[in-house]
Amino acid sequence: SQTIHQWPATLVQPVGSPLSLECTVEGTSNPNLYWYRQAAGRGLQLLFYSVGIGQISSEVPQNLSASRPQDRQFILSSKKLLLSDSGFYLCAWRSLGAKNIQYFGAGTRLSVL
Amino acid sequence: SQQGEEDPQALSIQEGENATMNCSYKTSINNLQWYRQNSGRGLVHLILIRSNEREKHSGRLRVTLDTSKKSSSLLITASRAADTASYFCATDGGGGFKTIFGAGTRLFVKA
Repeated sequence: SQTIHQWPATLVQPVGSPLSLECTVEGTSNPNLYWYRQAAGRGLQLLFYSVGIGQISSEVPQNLSASRPQDRQFILSSKKLLLSDSGFYLCAWRSLGAKNIQYFGAGTRLSVL
Repeated sequence: SQQGEEDPQALSIQEGENATMNCSYKTSINNLQWYRQNSGRGLVHLILIRSNEREKHSGRLRVTLDTSKKSSSLLITASRAADTASYFCATDGGGGFKTIFGAGTRLFVKA
């Protein structure tokens, strides 16, 4: 069966420090991969999605970047974190086919201080 | 504005009561989905209803879809304290790679 791993679960970083969040998927090939950010008590904001290795689509211009170095690995990065980067980050995958059901990781709570 | 807007934003009920949440969307869809999110966790897919379906059941969940009104509802019958969570509707926007999520309804079920 398919599983998605996202880590770390919580992260506290100082302003100006770099960021790297990693997400890996097991049990499926060539998934569509997604990074979302969720503010407290709000909906999901799509940040990036990828339909293949090295293919990244950015939804919102901001202080973050994403990379997909391997088929089932999706990385969210920043060179210098801002206070506004704080939030709950979720990785998700979706299989190819008619249904567009997304499967989510457990999330990373990022606090930038 | 965002595709998929839930109503109400928050709902508080007693255990055993039914909970109804509504969702409206703006563009054509192939299907509509409902997800659940426990506090501080990822979203979990609950149910998908296709655009040519009007009603679908899964256990204590009942979803309706009215494409003429571009709206859907999620009914949770005989609610339990464990149903306390946020519920999101999501659409495919008619196709493509993106799933568009609403802002969610926060449900609190009191024991």
